[in-house]
Amino acid sequence: RKEVEQDPGPFNVPEGATVAFNCTYSNSASQSFFWYRQDCRKEPKLLMSVYSSGNEDGRFTAQLNRASQYISLLIRDSKLSDSATYLCVVDAYSGAGSYQLTFGKGTKLSVIP
Amino acid sequence: DADVTQTPRNRITKTGKRIMLECSQTKGHDRMYWYRQDPGLGLQLIYYSFDVKDINKGEISDGYSVSRQAQAKFSLSLESAIPNQTALYFCATSDSRPPLVETGFRNTDTQYFGPGTRLTVL
Repeated sequence: RKEVEQDPGPFNVPEGATVAFNCTYSNSASQSFFWYRQDCRKEPKLLMSVYSSGNEDGRFTAQLNRASQYISLLIRDSKLSDSATYLCVVDAYSGAGSYQLTFGKGTKLSVIP
Repeated sequence: DADVTQTPRNRITKTGKRIMLECSQTKGHDRMYWYRQDPGLGLQLIYYSFDVKDINKGEISDGYSVSRQAQAKFSLSLESAIPNQTALYFCATSDSRPPLVETGFRNTDTQYFGPGTRLTVL
């Protein structure tokens, strides 16, 4: 089983739609969870951290379910500018006294006019 | 000015050549990382460094070496480049001492990426 799995998409949605991305992770020792956004040929940038209680930032809502080892990202009222690839990112103890990040392959979103 | 810079931004080279990719940061972070990204494979960690005297292998370190010349500089070398090292390479930084955010969560391991180096090995 891959460490971090995402549906690659693409998700093609009209402006104003609500879209949800899911992500599962295999390492039960993981403690920190993130969603990054990556535009075409650009570097990944942090979109939001995912807290145990769930958290919201404007049109974006992230949820974490530790029991199911599942993370989600909900985007409401999609904008054209939301078109990008969304990376699910999980950290886990590396066994060397430090943590590393594991990146999912990403889910591509295209918001259509 | 960008906080994390990479040079060169694009490089085309031939099999067997030695290549060095450089990364500099002005964020004052102690941790630095090198990743490669291939289409359909996502980001893979090559090497990381938590301090000037600390170097650690990532999941795909074979064929690569690194040098942490200073807290702000972390270079990646391909001693003898081969075609399957053609990829987009990203440097990243993070702070081992981030502040607490209002939820009480210490936002550890948030990584800040450079703009990337597109390397082609012919």
